Amino acid sequence: QVQLQESGPRLVKPSETLSLTCTVSGLSVSNGLYWGWIRQPPGKGLEWIASIYHSGSTFYNPSLKSRVSISIDTSKDQFSLNLSSVTAADTAVYYCARHRDYDIVPAQLDPWGQGLLVTVSS
Amino acid sequence: EIVLTQSPGTLSLSPGERATLSCRASQSVSSIYLAWYQQKPGQAPRLLIYGAYSRAAGIPDRFSGSGSGTDFTLTISRLEPEDFAVYYCQQYGDSPLTFGGGTKVEIQ
Repeated sequence: QVQLQESGPRLVKPSETLSLTCTVSGLSVSNGLYWGWIRQPPGKGLEWIASIYHSGSTFYNPSLKSRVSISIDTSKDQFSLNLSSVTAADTAVYYCARHRDYDIVPAQLDPWGQGLLVTVSS
Repeated sequence: EIVLTQSPGTLSLSPGERATLSCRASQSVSSIYLAWYQQKPGQAPRLLIYGAYSRAAGIPDRFSGSGSGTDFTLTISRLEPEDFAVYYCQQYGDSPLTFGGGTKVEIQ
């Protein structure tokens, strides 16, 4: 059974960089397809951030691309997200997830990690 | 960017009733690139439907998806108490991947 777990600081100061890691168990990240990050501001909807393949191929949401970097460490079965120059608008629950398929772009997401609430505040 | 608009925003129904949720895309999406998710309070989204019609593993057959082009529907044939939640559609026919704003199904 594939499981994902987000980790990282729960409080980040404005203008700093938010760094999160997703640890995958039950499957090597090299055997999966794409792996992705999605976020959800409190009380709001879902926003896809970025996705990565084990080879390093990436997809980014253009709305965040200038501030986002996604990477993967196949030796640790982890992938990571860096979001720079954060503001209060970046306060959200951050989820990592596995894409179950790929065609034109990474496809449906399943399973998801439990999510990590990250607050941007001084 | 493909914008997904879900309606209604809130659906108030009783257990045993039928729920019909709509997802409309700003441009045509191939039906094989449309998914539905269920999210309960404090939990991560769970995949229900992918490829517009196909149920994910372990999803009861009271959940069904339909539609094509720009109009898609999630139907819950008979609501069970555990079905009261927020439902999101998602397209993966083009980047960026996008989600609808969600429909909350609440107990009447």
